[in-house]
Amino acid sequence: EPEVTQTPSHQVTQMGQEVILRCVPISNHLYFYWYRQILGQKVEFLVSFYNNEISEKSEIFDDQFSVERPDGSNFTLKIRSTKLEDSAMYFCASSGGGPAAFFGQGTRLTVV
Amino acid sequence: DQQVKQNSPSLSVQEGRISILNCDYTNSMFDYFLWYKKYPAEGPTFLISISSIKDKNEDGRFTVFLNKSAKHLSLHIVPSQPGDSAVYFCAASAYSGAGSYQLTFGKGTKLSVIP
Repeated sequence: EPEVTQTPSHQVTQMGQEVILRCVPISNHLYFYWYRQILGQKVEFLVSFYNNEISEKSEIFDDQFSVERPDGSNFTLKIRSTKLEDSAMYFCASSGGGPAAFFGQGTRLTVV
Repeated sequence: DQQVKQNSPSLSVQEGRISILNCDYTNSMFDYFLWYKKYPAEGPTFLISISSIKDKNEDGRFTVFLNKSAKHLSLHIVPSQPGDSAVYFCAASAYSGAGSYQLTFGKGTKLSVIP
């Protein structure tokens, strides 16, 4: 069964450092998303991406965040200068169109 | 911001009985509602969805009911099995026009099915 894969599963970084979280969406999907879940809180939408551009972003997704689809298979989330409050589980998701998105297993980001 | 609310943080049910998970929403613009299941250290897994123009959708042991006037939906699992033990998230979306659907999640309900 096709699935969304994310790497790494756990990333520890120092405050102020840049991190790149990587995702391989399901191959025939066209819509890509990043969500995050801070410990004990809800899963929150960050950004959606279609046709090589951002289609929607939340107010969490400020200038420190960027997304890219560098080739035909990868989808990345970059945080330029990490803060302690960026510590969370980051989920990549994809869909072929329609509201049901399929999620990866997540990357746990810990900023120290 | 509490657009999607799951008021029960946990629920315990005997194996073979019905599990009913509830969800309320406040935003009338939502046009799709979804349920996801999540095991520890995994991402949310899509279970079932319902369009706002329907009041029921069924898939095997899972049925979702939507009451638009009450802004309430529920997920019924029958019969419940121990493997159903997980956190269940209610999510809602409103089509943004670009083909993408932004999901708004509830806090989740942890279901424990007791053998």
